[in-house]
This record gives sequence, structure tokens and C-alpha cells, in this order.
Amino acid sequence: NAGVTQTPKFRVLKTGQSMTLLCAQDMNHEYMYWYRQDPGMGLRLIHYSVGEGTTAKGEVPDGYNVSRLKKQNFLLGLESAAPSQTSVYFCASSPSLYNEQFFGPGTRLTVL
Amino acid sequence: GQNIDQPTEMTATEGAIVQINCTYQTSGFNGLFWYQQHAGEAPTFLSYNVLDGLEEKGRFSSFLSRSKGYSYLLLKELQMKDSASYLCAVRGAYSGGGADGLTFGKGTHLIIQP
Repeated sequence: NAGVTQTPKFRVLKTGQSMTLLCAQDMNHEYMYWYRQDPGMGLRLIHYSVGEGTTAKGEVPDGYNVSRLKKQNFLLGLESAAPSQTSVYFCASSPSLYNEQFFGPGTRLTVL
Repeated sequence: GQNIDQPTEMTATEGAIVQINCTYQTSGFNGLFWYQQHAGEAPTFLSYNVLDGLEEKGRFSSFLSRSKGYSYLLLKELQMKDSASYLCAVRGAYSGGGADGLTFGKGTHLIIQP
């Protein structure tokens, strides 16, 4: 039981490049979330999903897109990376609204 | 909107007790969580309060007062491994409808000294 996994762990991009971050969970959770964590800012919600085929915007969605084609996977896309998107990205999942969220190990992204 | 405040940094001594406070102002309230995060690692769940009062779990306890918009995390018998950031998070209600995520405070960096 791997819990929540994220791919890749580290990535360096140039401004304007695109990439996709993959989050996978093997706990059969309905809810999945993408956060970013910046120094002095805390964790901020980017997008979330309440089930397969559904997505919704969080607090800071601009510049990101997401997809949840399979229940176990939640993808975060950056179409045209900007230096302001340099951050640590965490994926999380939960079985319901009334349970704690389980976090993945994070992806450290640097945009030059 | 949602606003969550907690101290930026605290220092305590090994074996002692420390209380980390969290105050919040939210448009809706459906529970408060505390997470622990060691440097370079993912947050891990510590406690959840949705009703007023104290929840105890081993060396850690968490208290909630909904009328005051206030919570605290109490750590007893401090150990060096408790050096970490402690994140207060409130589950409110987003105006967009649908499921709600968590709004996190900026975290309290706790330093344990021998």
C-alpha cells in the first residue's frame, strides 16, 4: 500500500515550457487535491476533484489545469511555466469531506 | 474569505510542554485540523476538531472554541523529534459550491532545545 505518490520528485523548467505532474493514490479515495507551498505563504489549494471526471478551482487556479480521468490519478498541468510557479507542489487525497487528507511526498519545481 | 493566524516560530525545551495557538475567521466552518510537517517532507495528520472541547491523543491534544474562532495544539513531554512546523487548517465552505478544501495557516516552526 503505497498511499499517495507523486511523479516527478524534482523538475527544472525554462519559462514557457509545459509539463504535467502526476499524482496517484491506491486508497480508493474519492477526493483529491493539488496544493502549492511557498515560503511564508503556507499551503494553498490550486484545484481539487470530488470524484472521477470532476474538477473544481481552488484558491490559486490561474496558470494550471487538471484532469481526473481515472479515480486513482489526478494530473496537474502547466501549459506555459512562469518563474512565479516555482514552488513545492503537494497532492493529497481523502475518502470524504469529513476525514483527514493524506499527502504525497511533494514535487519541487523550479522555473528559470 | 478565510483568515488563519498562528505564530511564526516558537522555541521550547525538551521534556517541557508547549501550546501553539491558532485563530481563524472563515465564511463557514466544518472542522479544524492540525498537521505536522518536518522540513522537506509532506504534512502528516495530527488531530481534528469539529465540536468545542479538547481532543487528546497521546502526547498531543487539540482544543477548539468555535464561538471564539480559536484552537490550540498542546504538545507534552517534548522530544527532539517534535521539532517541525505545525499547520492549522480550517475546512470552510467555498463560495463556488461543491466540495471544500482546506485553508491552511502559514504554520508555526517549533524548535526544541536540549
